[in-house]
Amino acid sequence: GAVVSQHPSWVICKSGTSVKIECRSLDFQATTMFWYRQFPKQSLMLMATSNEGSKATYEQGVEKDKFLINHASLTLSTLTVTSAHPEDSSFYICSALGVNTEAFFGQGTRLTVV
Amino acid sequence: AQSVAQPEDQVNVAEGNPLTVKCTYSVSGNPYLFWYVQYPNRGLQFLLKYITGDNLVKGSYGFEAEFNKSQTSFHLKKPSALVSDSALYFCAVSLEGFKTIFGAGTRLFVKA
Repeated sequence: GAVVSQHPSWVICKSGTSVKIECRSLDFQATTMFWYRQFPKQSLMLMATSNEGSKATYEQGVEKDKFLINHASLTLSTLTVTSAHPEDSSFYICSALGVNTEAFFGQGTRLTVV
Repeated sequence: AQSVAQPEDQVNVAEGNPLTVKCTYSVSGNPYLFWYVQYPNRGLQFLLKYITGDNLVKGSYGFEAEFNKSQTSFHLKKPSALVSDSALYFCAVSLEGFKTIFGAGTRLFVKA
């Protein structure tokens, strides 16, 4: 199946700094990617839909100025957590939509803000 | 509102016994339904999907799921559980625009 790679797998940052997470579709082009957030022992919550060449569509309650999404190419979407705080600590997962409309998920990024 | 429900937080089963993880959905139109498995600190692994066709879908690692339109269910099953099947299982539905919404997850414990 298609491969989606997230980088980094885990990151620790200081409160107030920004962190960028990359999501790459390695062997297919994805005009649409999705970003999810997962709190411990909870389900995945959709944060935003990222479309190549256009602004991301954010779900209700997600701060677009805090979670900056850029989808500059057909194989790369980035999520930047700006001015991170401990409450932003979470597991972030991206998915990329393949040509047959199946979503392929990255391995996730564990963000810890200290 | 469109939703996916997994009524069991946890399912316990002995190794070698059949397992069922339940999922019901509430969506408009014809749903695309999925099952994923997640191991600790890992992303999601695709198990199987239903889009159209035969109601019984076979997937990875010996798992299967049955789509039941009248009961709006898509239960995950396996005839003989393995200890290595212990993980967190998510049922999901793909909506218009291909956004995927997930159930709360069911933790499966398979005891040797």
